[in-house]
Amino acid sequence: QITLKESGPTLVKPTQTLTLTCTFSGFSLSTSGVGVGWIRQPPGKALEWLALIYWNDDKRYSPSLKSRLTITKDTSKNQVVLTMTNMDPVDTATYYCAHRPGWSGYYTTFDYWGQGTLVTVSS
Amino acid sequence: DIQMTQSPSSVSASVGDRVTITCRASQGISSWLAWYQQKPGKAPKLLIYAASSLQSGVPSRFSGSGSGTDFTLTISSLQPEDFATYYCQQANSPFTFGPGTKVDIK
Repeated sequence: QITLKESGPTLVKPTQTLTLTCTFSGFSLSTSGVGVGWIRQPPGKALEWLALIYWNDDKRYSPSLKSRLTITKDTSKNQVVLTMTNMDPVDTATYYCAHRPGWSGYYTTFDYWGQGTLVTVSS
Repeated sequence: DIQMTQSPSSVSASVGDRVTITCRASQGISSWLAWYQQKPGKAPKLLIYAASSLQSGVPSRFSGSGSGTDFTLTISSLQPEDFATYYCQQANSPFTFGPGTKVDIK
């Protein structure tokens, strides 16, 4: 079955760079149509999509955060890495990675999610 | 960028009630919409994709409809496990989520 798990620091200081790793199993990121996305959720607030990487290394970013985000994949390790620069307290949130199924065609939905990791930005 | 809105922001309902949640896109998005359910402390769960297709394993009391700018999620007979927050998501980049609708117990 498909599983995803986020890992990274739980606390970062303002202006630092956050690096999160999504380690997954049950699918290959070299399969046509498959992707892995990152979504975050500040405490008590709504979901916010951040980035998506496709099987062919095509990438999409949230326009409002594009200058701060980089998403990469390591297919051999079954990992996707998200980096976010210049962290601020408003970036405090639970960060999720999620699977984009290959069957979804032009639609992008997320059918499997990790448990999420809470990242707090504070000095 | 396309903005997603949802109404109501919260709804109080009883077990057995029919509940309808609306999602509106600021521009037409054809049927490029998904719906998710999220319970406190848990990751979201995909319910509906392509506006009206039921995700595998999701009970048939959930249904989705709409196209263009206006979409609805309907729960035909609310069950105790359905009390949660529901989000719509635009399925074309950027993959914007709506602000959510909380369904709680009346």
